[in-house]
Amino acid sequence: GAVVSQHPSWVICKSGTSVKIECRSLDFQATTMFWYRQFPKQSLMLMATSNEGSKATYEQGVEKDKFLINHASLTLSTLTVTSAHPEDSSFYICSARTGGRDYEQYFGPGTRLTVT
Amino acid sequence: GENVEQHPSTLSVQEGDSAVIKCTYSDSASNYFPWYKQELGKGPQLIIDIRSNVGEKKDQRIAVTLNKTAKHFSLHITETQPEDSAVYFCAATSGDAGNMLTFGGGTRLMVKP
Repeated sequence: GAVVSQHPSWVICKSGTSVKIECRSLDFQATTMFWYRQFPKQSLMLMATSNEGSKATYEQGVEKDKFLINHASLTLSTLTVTSAHPEDSSFYICSARTGGRDYEQYFGPGTRLTVT
Repeated sequence: GENVEQHPSTLSVQEGDSAVIKCTYSDSASNYFPWYKQELGKGPQLIIDIRSNVGEKKDQRIAVTLNKTAKHFSLHITETQPEDSAVYFCAATSGDAGNMLTFGGGTRLMVKP
């Protein structure tokens, strides 16, 4: 299957600072990427849909000024958590969709963010 | 919008036995149903998927069945092994909203050696 990478795999930052997470589709071009958040022992919660060259679409309740998403190329999307607080600590996972009618959706390995 | 329910939430089987996880969906327009396996601390891994024009699909020890009339689909794992232990998520597309995936709540599968 297709490969999606994510960097960093884990990060610890201080409250009030910003953190950038990168998501790359390694062997395919992805016009659409997704960012999810996952709390322990829970399902995946969609935060936003990222389309190459256009503004991201955020789900209800997700602050777009806090979670900045940029999808500058067909293989790269970034999520920046601005002014992080301890409650932003979570497991963030990106996902990329292959093109065409028979599309599939692949996930990255996730980024564990801890805000102290 | 789409609503996906998954059962059971936990499943414990003996090594070599079969495991079945069931999901129901609400949107009759949904046409793509992937299954993901998530190990602790890792991202979900696509293990098998099925589209609405097919009733069953098999890949070695894993199979998925789809009943469009009843709006439910199931994952079948035969000859389970300890390395099958993980959380499994089903998902379905919504007929609207740009074909975003809606996930079930997950099933924690434990295979006892």
